[in-house]
This record gives sequence, C-alpha cells and structure tokens, in this order.
Amino acid sequence: EPEVTQTPSHQVTQMGQEVILRCVPISNHLYFYWYRQILGQKVEFLVSFYNNEISEKSEIFDDQFSVERPDGSNFTLKIRSTKLEDSAMYFCASSGAAHNEQFFGPGTRLTVL
Amino acid sequence: GESVGLHLPTLSVQEGDNSIINCAYSNSASDYFIWYKQESGKGPQFIIDIRSNMDKRQGQRVTVLLNKTVKHLSLQIAATQPGDSAVYFCAEPDRQGAQKLVFGQGTRLTINP
Repeated sequence: EPEVTQTPSHQVTQMGQEVILRCVPISNHLYFYWYRQILGQKVEFLVSFYNNEISEKSEIFDDQFSVERPDGSNFTLKIRSTKLEDSAMYFCASSGAAHNEQFFGPGTRLTVL
Repeated sequence: GESVGLHLPTLSVQEGDNSIINCAYSNSASDYFIWYKQESGKGPQFIIDIRSNMDKRQGQRVTVLLNKTVKHLSLQIAATQPGDSAVYFCAEPDRQGAQKLVFGQGTRLTINP
C-alpha cells in the first residue's frame, strides 16, 4: 500500500540553526501539506502546496518557514532560524485531490535546544 | 477560528465492548468531517469520513453519525480490540472548500484486556 515517508525521524538542532525536513508524498498525489503537533496538543495546519506554489498557509507559517518541491518526488519544509518553540512533531501529508482524504506520514520529531 | 472540539479527553473500555467518541463543531455550514486515529509515535491515520448530506456512514467496525441539528458527530467502534487503543481526532476543513484541516484536541481511547 502506498504511503507517505518522512526523513529524518528525529532531528535535534541548536536554536538559530536551519533545518530541512523531508517528505516523499504518495507518487500520484498532487496536493501536499505540512502540519505540526506540539507535544500533548492537537495537530495544527501549516501549509498546503499545489502546482508548485503555496495554496494556503496558517499564521504559524511565517517568513522563517518555506516549502519546496525540488524534484518530482520530494517535498521539503525548511525552517531558517529555529526557535525553541519550533520543537514539535512535523507531519507531511498528501492527497490526490483538493478535498480528498489526506494521507499522513509518520512524522519528524524536531527538538530545538 | 477553531471550531472542532471533543467532549472527553480520555475513554477506557473493556476489550470486546463498543466505544463511542464524540465531537462537537460550531460552524453550521461545515460540510465534511473526518475521523483520524493516531497511535503513539505515528502520524494520523484516516479512519472514516462523512459529508453533510449524510447522517450515518459505516466502515469496518466503525460507524460515524452526524447530527447537524446539534452540530455533533460521533465515532462508534464495535467490538474493540487492543489495537484500537490510540488518540482519535475529529477534523474538518477550515471552511468550505479549504484544504486546511482543523483538528480537535483528541480523545485517548484505552482498551482494557
């Protein structure tokens, strides 16, 4: 069964450093998403991406965040200068159409020290 | 703003019993709802969805009921198994046609042997 994959599973970084979280969406999907979940809290939307551009973003997704689809298979989330409060699980998701089921990856746990 | 919420944060049931997880929403125009299951250390996994033109939808051992009059939906899991232990989230698009999903706080379901 096709699935969304994410790397790394755990990323530890120093405050102020840049991190890139990587995702491989399901191969025939066209819509891509990033969500985050701070420990013990609910899942929060960050951004959606379609046709090589951002289609929606939340207030969390400020200038420190960016997304990119550098090739036909990867979808990345970059945080330019990490803050302590960026520590969370980051989930990538993809869907075949805009309002279809979103399939989530296993997540990357980001720890900012 | 956030419109999806859950009544109870935890629920314990005996293996083999049925469980009901509830969710309230505030936007009467909401037209699509999804239930996700999140096991420890994993990403949200789609369980079942329902559109507002239905009031009931059944899957394998799961049933979602939608009461638009009181803006309430529930997830019923029949004959619970140990593998059903997880956090269950209801979610809905932020607004009609949006790709952003808004998640509730989640209910932790524990199946006791």
